[in-house]
Amino acid sequence: DAKTTQPNSMESNEEEPVHLPCNHSTISGTDYIHWYRQLPSQGPEYVIHGLTSNVNNRMASLAIAEDRKSSTLILHRATLRDAAVYYCILRVLNTGFQKLVFGTGTRLLVSP
Amino acid sequence: NAGVTQTPKFQVLKTGQSMTLQCAQDMNHNSMYWYRQDPGMGLRLIYYSASEGTTDKGEVPNGYNVSRLNKREFSLRLESAAPSQTSVYFCATNWGVAFFGQGTRLTVV
Repeated sequence: DAKTTQPNSMESNEEEPVHLPCNHSTISGTDYIHWYRQLPSQGPEYVIHGLTSNVNNRMASLAIAEDRKSSTLILHRATLRDAAVYYCILRVLNTGFQKLVFGTGTRLLVSP
Repeated sequence: NAGVTQTPKFQVLKTGQSMTLQCAQDMNHNSMYWYRQDPGMGLRLIYYSASEGTTDKGEVPNGYNVSRLNKREFSLRLESAAPSQTSVYFCATNWGVAFFGQGTRLTVV
């Protein structure tokens, strides 16, 4: 299974942008990069995913390095509700099935 | 639509007791998964099912069994619970994007 590496924790102030990094140096050409987050006492929820190009949705933006060996999840204005553990995982293209192996993620702390 | 529904939400077992955790999804997805999450840790894969009728071991299958009853339902059974199995258990489905249940908090005393 392809591996990802993330910092254990990061801190931010409310209403400031947050950049959460992820390294995936063994990524293959067909692997999608997915991000999930887990709010306290809840199951993980999908945030965003991408293959090569940067992606934006209502929750966040995903910036993918040109060599695809790293990516960054961007929260444009952190709120207290964004305090969660953020997981970066890789998913194989065009298969409905993958083991979905999660690492320990990055715990984001947001201060008022 | 309920998405992924897990029952029960909370359970306390005595060592050696057995129980089955139930998971049902209404999204018509083929793939289903069981994970466990210990305090302060990430999710570890116990078992998964790529499609109805197939199941495979994940990272930490010892002490567990699973049944993919039909496309909707994927159950996890603890035959003889041990304190080391105290954890939060999550069921998930996947079709491009993964969807998780709210979890079952299991305590084995």
